Amino acid sequence: AQSVTQLGSHVSVSEGALVLLRCNYSSSVPPYLFWYVQYPNQGLQLLLKYTTGATLVKGINGFEAEFKKSETSFHLTKPSAHMSDAAEYFCAVSEGAGNNRKLIWGLGTSLAVNP
Amino acid sequence: GAGVSQSPRYKVTKRGQDVTLRCDPISSHATLYWYQQALGQGPEFLTYFNYEAQPDKSGLPSDRFSAERPEGSISTLTIQRTEQRDSAMYRCASSATRLSGELFFGEGSRLTVL
Repeated sequence: AQSVTQLGSHVSVSEGALVLLRCNYSSSVPPYLFWYVQYPNQGLQLLLKYTTGATLVKGINGFEAEFKKSETSFHLTKPSAHMSDAAEYFCAVSEGAGNNRKLIWGLGTSLAVNP
Repeated sequence: GAGVSQSPRYKVTKRGQDVTLRCDPISSHATLYWYQQALGQGPEFLTYFNYEAQPDKSGLPSDRFSAERPEGSISTLTIQRTEQRDSAMYRCASSATRLSGELFFGEGSRLTVL
């Protein structure tokens, strides 16, 4: 069965510092991987996704993630945090070829950005 | 509509009452999903529709839960005889196709059962 583990339910960084949110997954088939973000009082929004091809994926707002099959990881990074990045971040994996009706979600990581 | 709209945003009800939540997806989107998200958890799949068809409702936790999308657009999620454990955020999402890989979410409906 597929699963997603997000290490650290709360991450705090200083403004301008590197953001690193960790995601590991388990899947018996090539996965599709997603990062979603939830800003306060808003719905979940897709940040980026990996399906096939280039393993380094760039998303919105300067975020990127790298699919590392050998490490079963899909960590999310941003070189320099901004106050507006404070939000809840969710990693998700789908089984098969884009069968997103069966997205399996991590528990989420709350990112705080300190001035 | 321009985005996914859910109503009500907040619902407080007493145990045993029936509740209906509504989702209005992006108008061009064929596929609609319902998720349940308990506090401190990630979303859990409930069911999905492809137009008016409901191919998978395996995530519905009990027969008290049902969902409809009779005309392939607006969907409702009904919980009968609510229980305290039903308290959660209920999220609706739509996508252009089942295989598109991107879900567009509404703001969610937070249900509290007293």
